[in-house]
Amino acid sequence: EIVLTQSPGTLSLSPGERATLSCRASESVNSAYLAWYQQKPGQAPMLLIYDASTRAPGIPDRFRGSGSETEFSLTITRLEPEDFALYFCQQYDTMYTFGQGTRLEMK
Amino acid sequence: QVQLEESGPGLVKPSETLSLSCSVSGGSISNFYWNWIRQSSGKGLEWIGYIYYTGSTVYNPSLESRVTMSIDTSSNQFSLKLASVTAADTAVYYCVRANFDTNYRYYGMDVWGQGTTVTVSS
Repeated sequence: EIVLTQSPGTLSLSPGERATLSCRASESVNSAYLAWYQQKPGQAPMLLIYDASTRAPGIPDRFRGSGSETEFSLTITRLEPEDFALYFCQQYDTMYTFGQGTRLEMK
Repeated sequence: QVQLEESGPGLVKPSETLSLSCSVSGGSISNFYWNWIRQSSGKGLEWIGYIYYTGSTVYNPSLESRVTMSIDTSSNQFSLKLASVTAADTAVYYCVRANFDTNYRYYGMDVWGQGTTVTVSS
């Protein structure tokens, strides 16, 4: 089982700032099967990024995914108030696994 | 647009079987992988398994001995059974669509139900 470790656990930033969230895999991941999700309180997760760097339909271009092998990141270039949420990375090989999440909170 | 809706008991007794269904509306159940994922405060998001529209299944090895999934393409529904539940199975359960094309290119888990809370307690 591939373990995904996200860091930091919590990130405190202000609107307008840049956020960088990290996702490290315990072994190499095919980037074609790496995705990012956003979850707001009381809601289901929502797909942001698939294929490590491709934005899902309707996702603003301030959300940018990058990385390969064991190191992936999600960057939000200029934070909007609605971006403060919980973020998960996910991979698929023979099974799906998720990172434990990064909470992006407003400073 | 495609929508998913989970249904089933919100309270299950220990050692009994948790049964949930997911209704797919606004689109076809064919040609997609249909997943169950759960979320608890202790373990984050945990993938339980998937069923393809043909009926083939893959389960999380950690739960495989207790999980059964089924699908009814005629009614656009799929289901989850989790046997011998304990308090550790208390979670929000989501039904989720995973989108792959015919070349097995992955487009992410792009449609989620709103989730249903299941509590295991006597």
